[in-house]
Amino acid sequence: GENVEQHPSTLSVQEGDSAVIKCTYSDSASNYFPWYKQELGKRPQLIIDIRSNVGEKKDQRIAVTLNKTAKHFSLHITETQPEDSAVYFCAASRGNYQLIWGAGTKLIIKP
Amino acid sequence: EAGVTQFPSHSVIEKGQTVTLRCDPISGHDNLYWYRRVMGKEIKFLLHFVKESKQDESGMPNNRFLAERTGGTYSTLKVQPAELEDSGVYFCASSQVTGAGELFFGEGSRLTVL
Repeated sequence: GENVEQHPSTLSVQEGDSAVIKCTYSDSASNYFPWYKQELGKRPQLIIDIRSNVGEKKDQRIAVTLNKTAKHFSLHITETQPEDSAVYFCAASRGNYQLIWGAGTKLIIKP
Repeated sequence: EAGVTQFPSHSVIEKGQTVTLRCDPISGHDNLYWYRRVMGKEIKFLLHFVKESKQDESGMPNNRFLAERTGGTYSTLKVQPAELEDSGVYFCASSQVTGAGELFFGEGSRLTVL
């Protein structure tokens, strides 16, 4: 079946450094790629998403890049801060509700 | 505006018992989804309601799981009888539109089956 692989499972970076999380998807018909952030004990929340008609999207310190040929997309967080510590989930869909999720990345920001 | 609420936040039951999870979506959201995350693994789709109708229940693991959405408002997910492998966090999400767009999640119901 369709799947999304997410790496790494855990990422530890020094405060102020950049963090990159990568996802690879198998369904070439996928055209919508959201990223959700789940802080400890809280609900997952959408932080950024990208559609297949663009290659990159930025929102302040967060950016997502998409390579349709290679079928992978990445989340980039610059100038990391303690509040960036959370579990990040990537997902892919064909533009419908049926999201296929990655297994999550636990991001740890070291002071 | 109230977000998606789920109850209970944590339930511990023995194998063979029954548990019912409840989700109250954001008011006005016709779309309601149930997902499950087994520890450390990906979030998996269980089913999707549009109002009171089941649009897609292809992710439901087996007939021990029963979901309902009374009057198109809140939804319940019943597991009967529970098995060890049912342990995990059950998320509910809602959205205004059907299709690619933001999902509003609840905080999840953690189910532990002993």
